[in-house]
Amino acid sequence: QVQLVQSGAEVEKPGASVKVSCKASGYTFSAYYIHWVRQAPGQGLEWMGRINPKSGDTNYAQNFQGRVTMTRDTSISTAYMELSSLTSDDTAVYYCARSSVVGATLYYFDYWGQGTLVTVSS
Amino acid sequence: IQMTQSPSSLSASVGDRVTITCRASQSIGSYLNWYQQKPGKAPKLLIYAASSLQSGVPSRFSGSESGTVFTLTISILQPDDFATYYCQQTYSPPLTFGGGTKVEI
Repeated sequence: QVQLVQSGAEVEKPGASVKVSCKASGYTFSAYYIHWVRQAPGQGLEWMGRINPKSGDTNYAQNFQGRVTMTRDTSISTAYMELSSLTSDDTAVYYCARSSVVGATLYYFDYWGQGTLVTVSS
Repeated sequence: IQMTQSPSSLSASVGDRVTITCRASQSIGSYLNWYQQKPGKAPKLLIYAASSLQSGVPSRFSGSESGTVFTLTISILQPDDFATYYCQQTYSPPLTFGGGTKVEI
């Protein structure tokens, strides 16, 4: 069965960086995009960007340009999201999600990781 | 692309018919998905491509579209359906979500 298992909770100081991992199993890792979505406490969902595991190509939301880096290691079917220059506003649960596609371009997120809480506090 | 959901919350009873609306700020075709989220859990896909039911999702959930207005309907509300619902457009990046609709007892 398809599973996305994320790394554990992190506590970071302002100005630091955090790297969250997302290990995929139960499907061909390189065949599906991985997206990252975050959710601040009590708030809605915010898309951060995506990575094509096959090529390594990325697309980032403008809100995170220059601060986020998405990478992958196909040998261990794992995607990573690193966010730098953290502030308290980055305190959130970070999710990875796999996207399937209808036709060539209509994407939907059919499997999600369990979420990783990142707390930014001095 | 802005996605505006309404209402932001609603109160309903088991057995009610519930309708949630999502309006896109521009044309997005059928590039609209619906998710359900319960507290402390990841979102769960309900509907993709505006009206296609995800495998394993009960048939009481349905989606429709009319231009830039999309609707999620729960035909007969069940106790397990009390949750927050989000729409999402995947027409063009950034892949924006609506603000959410909390369905409460």
